[in-house]
Amino acid sequence: NAGVTQTPKFRVLKTGQSMTLLCAQDMNHEYMYWYRQDPGMGLRLIHYSVGEGTTAKGEVPDGYNVSRLKKQNFLLGLESAAPSQTSVYFCASSYGSGNLGTDTQYFGPGTRLTVL
Amino acid sequence: AQSVAQPEDQVNVAEGNPLTVKCTYSVSGNPYLFWYVQYPNRGLQFLLKYITGDNLVKGSYGFEAEFNKSQTSFHLKKPSALVSDSALYFCAVRGLSGSARQLTFGSGTQLTVLP
Repeated sequence: NAGVTQTPKFRVLKTGQSMTLLCAQDMNHEYMYWYRQDPGMGLRLIHYSVGEGTTAKGEVPDGYNVSRLKKQNFLLGLESAAPSQTSVYFCASSYGSGNLGTDTQYFGPGTRLTVL
Repeated sequence: AQSVAQPEDQVNVAEGNPLTVKCTYSVSGNPYLFWYVQYPNRGLQFLLKYITGDNLVKGSYGFEAEFNKSQTSFHLKKPSALVSDSALYFCAVRGLSGSARQLTFGSGTQLTVLP
């Protein structure tokens, strides 16, 4: 049981390049999330998904797109990378019970992205 | 909008001493509160959560947190700190409706336990 895994671990991009970050979970969780972590700002939600084929915007969605074609995978895309997108990106997943108050999120190890 | 404040960027404590990491929150209705820990170059790990019931919540690695509704606080505590507790700690809150159903995180507190 690997939990939540993220690919790649590190990446350096030039401004304007595109890339896709892959998140996979083997816990049969319904809900998946993408966050970015910046110094002194905690984690901010980019996009999330409450099930296969569905996605929704979080707090900071601009410049990112997501897809959830399979229940176990959640992809985060950057179509035209900007230096402001330099950050550490975390994926998380949760069971997605009816009572969201009790729903605990489990996090991947993160992807460190630098945009030059 | 819901929010979380962690007023201390850095907390230093000597090994064996009690530790407290502070958290206050703002949310409409009853809050669901969480603590996560992040070790260097790792993802966040769940420590504990408050849903309802007893105001003192016990979690992993000997940590506990006290919910205080009147002070809107959810401070993380441990009776005797270990050097291995040194990490970045995040408090988070979840409301019950709309976008508030998503977790909102504080900015984090770096805990350093000195040997």
